[in-house]
Amino acid sequence: GIQVEQSPPDLILQEGANSTLRCNFSDSVNNLQWFHQNPWGQLINLFYIPSGTKQNGRLSATTVATERYSLLYISSSQTTDSGVYFCAVEAWDDKIIFGKGTRLHILP
Amino acid sequence: NAGVTQTPKFRILKIGQSMTLQCTQDMNHNYMYWYRQDPGMGLKLIYYSVGAGITDKGEVPNGYNVSRSTTEDFPLRLELAAPSQTSVYFCASSFIDSEGGAFFGQGTRLTVV
Repeated sequence: GIQVEQSPPDLILQEGANSTLRCNFSDSVNNLQWFHQNPWGQLINLFYIPSGTKQNGRLSATTVATERYSLLYISSSQTTDSGVYFCAVEAWDDKIIFGKGTRLHILP
Repeated sequence: NAGVTQTPKFRILKIGQSMTLQCTQDMNHNYMYWYRQDPGMGLKLIYYSVGAGITDKGEVPNGYNVSRSTTEDFPLRLELAAPSQTSVYFCASSFIDSEGGAFFGQGTRLTVV
């Protein structure tokens, strides 16, 4: 089946810093999403981005489907950005497969 | 719209007991999914369904069963619970081909003792 790899696995930053999270996938995909799992375990949709670039406030994402990767940018980090960021891809067999996530900790 | 609703939120089971985790969505989504998340880990797909009457195995289906008799409901059945099934279970739904993205319920925290 399709493999989804996220990097880095862990990231510790000072408040106000910028960061880039990466998602690589092993085969062509139907769709790609980024999620934020907050400290209470809730999964929050950030971006639905099968290709191209989208922005939402301090967050933006770019997917280059032909090269099988996606990037999530977080600018001017805040402590509320802490949590785990997941990339999830829908393969052509309709399965949505998650990466292992990047654990982000923003220090005040 | 309530979105995706899971019940119960918490449950403790004894080894060998059975239970059904309920999931319902009111967004008229075709696709529904069940995941489990072990502590500190990512989400693993258990089963999924592309429409009423159709179900397929995911990455970790052993020990679980599902049914999809209606568009709205996708219950997950645990038979003969084992400690290895201690996890947080998430249900999700989406339109065809996850167009617009998949949306998740709040999760069910299950402990098997």
